[in-house]
Amino acid sequence: DAGITQSPRHKVTETGTPVTLRCHQTENHRYMYWYRQDPGHGLRLIHYSYGVKDTDKGEVSDGYSVSRSKTEDFLLTLESATSSQTSVYFCAISRLAGDSYNEQFFGPGTRLTVL
Amino acid sequence: AQTVTQSQPEMSVQEAETVTLSCTYDTSESDYYLFWYKQPPSRQMILVIRQEAYKQQNATENRFSVNFQKAAKSFSLKISDSQLGDAAMYFCALSGGSNYKLTFGKGTLLTVNP
Repeated sequence: DAGITQSPRHKVTETGTPVTLRCHQTENHRYMYWYRQDPGHGLRLIHYSYGVKDTDKGEVSDGYSVSRSKTEDFLLTLESATSSQTSVYFCAISRLAGDSYNEQFFGPGTRLTVL
Repeated sequence: AQTVTQSQPEMSVQEAETVTLSCTYDTSESDYYLFWYKQPPSRQMILVIRQEAYKQQNATENRFSVNFQKAAKSFSLKISDSQLGDAAMYFCALSGGSNYKLTFGKGTLLTVNP
């Protein structure tokens, strides 16, 4: 358990509304990530952060923005939700788990439905 | 760009038998890591096993072992003495380059029959 929580755990919203998902960690890890999981696609990276106010795009970043104003929180925002953004969203952190490698640990996920 | 391919969308195995899940990958990085994650119906992502590319010895974790063929860019997972609790979606993942980002395969759904 890497002390990762996500909120909300479930959300149903309507097309065109803004949505913010929150990832919170308790261990002050530098790296945080947002992935989405869809059937037939596995997990795909949306955005990631390598420090406070340091973020970068992943593979499927269109329609998403992120912010990290403090180490423990990484927010994912859908400015205007679309049905194609219906998915399960996972937050992850990366931490040193051996002499030379980092290991990612995942939060419990948020199921988002856009009607 | 990195890619990970899992060619078996679904697999099944009898309890106590052995099953092998396949994974191939591609990367231009010389230093990288490979992982197998398990996702049970609870949706939690659980790391099963990892392999450092610079190590020739195949990783083993209890009933789980890998066959890492670096030249062929192949990374298969063997589950021995399969148990009902092994039933889950299994994802192969690759981490290479900076920022420890993961690239996932599409997953293999494993069913364990009693």
